[in-house]
Amino acid sequence: AQSVTQLGSHVSVSEGALVLLRCNYSSSVPPYLFWYVQYPNQGLQLLLKYTTGATLVKGINGFEAEFKKSETSFHLTKPSAHMSDAAEYFCAVTRRAGYSTLTFGKGTMLLVSP
Amino acid sequence: DTEVTQTPKHLVMGMTNKKSLKCEQHMGHRAMYWYKQKAKKPPELMFVYSYEKLSINESVPSRFSPECPNSSLLNLHLHALQPEDSALYLCASSQDRGTAAFFGQGTRLTVV
Repeated sequence: AQSVTQLGSHVSVSEGALVLLRCNYSSSVPPYLFWYVQYPNQGLQLLLKYTTGATLVKGINGFEAEFKKSETSFHLTKPSAHMSDAAEYFCAVTRRAGYSTLTFGKGTMLLVSP
Repeated sequence: DTEVTQTPKHLVMGMTNKKSLKCEQHMGHRAMYWYKQKAKKPPELMFVYSYEKLSINESVPSRFSPECPNSSLLNLHLHALQPEDSALYLCASSQDRGTAAFFGQGTRLTVV
């Protein structure tokens, strides 16, 4: 079985500050990992993914995440927050092999203040 | 083209109505999904259609019925829904099961 824990249902930052959204996973086999962003009343947009290779993954809109196997983590970061980053962020995991589907974390709402 | 198209964007239906949600992708993906999302919650998987095989989340009531006319289309037929079925319904597709999924913009469904 696999699961995802996102620490903090809400994270507040000031514009220009570092964004750090935390994600820890539990999986019996090395997983594939994803971050999605959702703006109000819209679908989910894939920000970035880790499948294999380099553990530091760069995504869209200046976001990046680092896969740390020893810490079972895949935290999302952005050096400087922009007002347009305010949205809900979901971390998700799936098994590398076999008949699998995405397991989502509960989500973290990012609030950006001027 | 990395787009999943859902229609309609909004739907209001009565509890005795029959309606359908439509989803289309032209990325050649072999897996398509329906998710239900309530406010402030992550998406919940309802159905997966992959390699002509349908997988069902057993907690989904029978008033929801998926149909896959071809590899690019996935419909969700709705019948005799309840007010608690009001939610955002999201369609997604992926190259294979277990790979990155691309989501449509969703259908906001309200049952009255």
